[in-house]
Amino acid sequence: DAGVTQSPTHLIKTRGQQVTLRCSPISGHKSVSWYQQVLGQGPQFIFQYYEKEERGRGNFPDRFSARQFPNYSSELNVNALLLGDSALYLCASSLGSGANVLTFGAGSRLTVL
Amino acid sequence: AQSVTQPDIHITVSEGASLELRCNYSYGATPYLFWYVQSPGQGLQLLLKYFSGDTLVQGIKGFEAEFKRSQSSFNLRKPSVHWSDAAEYFCAVVDDSNYQLIWGAGTKLIIKP
Repeated sequence: DAGVTQSPTHLIKTRGQQVTLRCSPISGHKSVSWYQQVLGQGPQFIFQYYEKEERGRGNFPDRFSARQFPNYSSELNVNALLLGDSALYLCASSLGSGANVLTFGAGSRLTVL
Repeated sequence: AQSVTQPDIHITVSEGASLELRCNYSYGATPYLFWYVQSPGQGLQLLLKYFSGDTLVQGIKGFEAEFKRSQSSFNLRKPSVHWSDAAEYFCAVVDDSNYQLIWGAGTKLIIKP
C-alpha cells in the first residue's frame, strides 16, 4: 500500500511568489494535517482537515491556506512568500480527527530566495 | 500551554552502546506521548506511542520508552545502538485543545564506529 505522498519534493521560489503543495493520504485515511519544520526545530502545526472541513489551525498568518478534496487529498497554499517560509512542509494522514497516530509523508522542501 | 522539552540537542554514542534520549512534557492529565525518528531527507517515522496502560512501551527497531508521571518524562531507550540508528529523534505530546502534536526540538543521535 502506498504511504502518504507529497509533491513536489523540492522547490525554489522567490519572495512574493505563491506556492501550492500537494498531499495524498493513505487509502482509507480521512484526515490530513500539515506541519512546517524549520531547520533545526521540531514541526509546527499549520492545519488539519477532516472530511473536507477545517478542524484545526495553528498560529500561522492568513497567507497560509489549505483545502481537502472529495478524495481526501489536500493542498497547502502559501501566498506572498517570505524568506522565513523556507522550511520542510510535512503532510500527515490519520483515520480520524481525534488523538490518532499520524503517518507522515517525506515532505516538500521549500526554499525562498 | 502544553510543551515538550528535549534537553539534549546532540548525543554521541559508540556503536553497540546503550542509549537514552530524554523527553519531559508539561501537562496536567495523562498525556498521549509519541517518539518519532527522522532520517536525513526523510519524513517522520513513528517509533512508539503511549496512550494508557503499561508505562513501559515497546516500539519498532528495538526501542522502548517509559512513561513516568512523577517525573513528567517519557525517555527513549535502546540497549545496543547500530550505525543505522543515526538520525534525529523527536518526542511529541497531543495538544488536548486540537488533538494535534506539540513537538520537542529534537535530539540528533551520532554514532561513533
